[in-house]
Amino acid sequence: SAVISQKPSRDICQRGTSLTIQCQVDSQVTMMFWYRQQPGQSLTLIATANQGSEATYESGFVIDKFPISRPNLTFSTLTVSNMSPEDSSIYLCSVDRGGNEQFFGPGTRLTVL
Amino acid sequence: AQSVTQLGSHVSVSEGALVLLRCNYSSSVPPYLFWYVQYPNQGLQLLLKYTSAATLVKGINGFEAEFKKSETSFHLTKPSAHMSDAAEYFCAVSDWGGQGAQKLVFGQGTRLTINP
Repeated sequence: SAVISQKPSRDICQRGTSLTIQCQVDSQVTMMFWYRQQPGQSLTLIATANQGSEATYESGFVIDKFPISRPNLTFSTLTVSNMSPEDSSIYLCSVDRGGNEQFFGPGTRLTVL
Repeated sequence: AQSVTQLGSHVSVSEGALVLLRCNYSSSVPPYLFWYVQYPNQGLQLLLKYTSAATLVKGINGFEAEFKKSETSFHLTKPSAHMSDAAEYFCAVSDWGGQGAQKLVFGQGTRLTINP
């Protein structure tokens, strides 16, 4: 398994501002993933982040809105830019430790007013 | 692209009764399949996974799932429900994503309620 922490655990933000979410893993991993879970909905993959290369975004998500950094093998950040109320969601990071399974962080609950 | 369908957004059972949560996938080749559980205000926890070994997979907390290729199904069961099983359950299938990574495609989720 993997121990994954996220900061902040929750935040309330004003529209038009940006929030950076941090994801820290207790050991080195190649792939990290960022998911969004809108209220009452399932999880949708935002992007895949590999250390040393630019993140790959899924359809419907763009780098200008959700820039991602991956400076090393244990850390990643996701920024939600120019926020609107529609961005209110839980944002989760996950890692692939091999064994064909992903481990998830506790999530960041974002509310945009 | 892979997709997953969970039949029933809400399932309610009595404590001690059988739990059956349904999941169907769309794939022309046997995929990797997963069940995750999400307790209120928590992240996702892996219950069990199918990776082309035994078709009957046993997971944590007494849950198990059976992979049926002919029915493209991966239903989750537990013989006797406990109050602590109340949660949201997600079925997921692996798919190839960016940078050669295996991403997860999730179903819509099923909220399980246990009645005393």
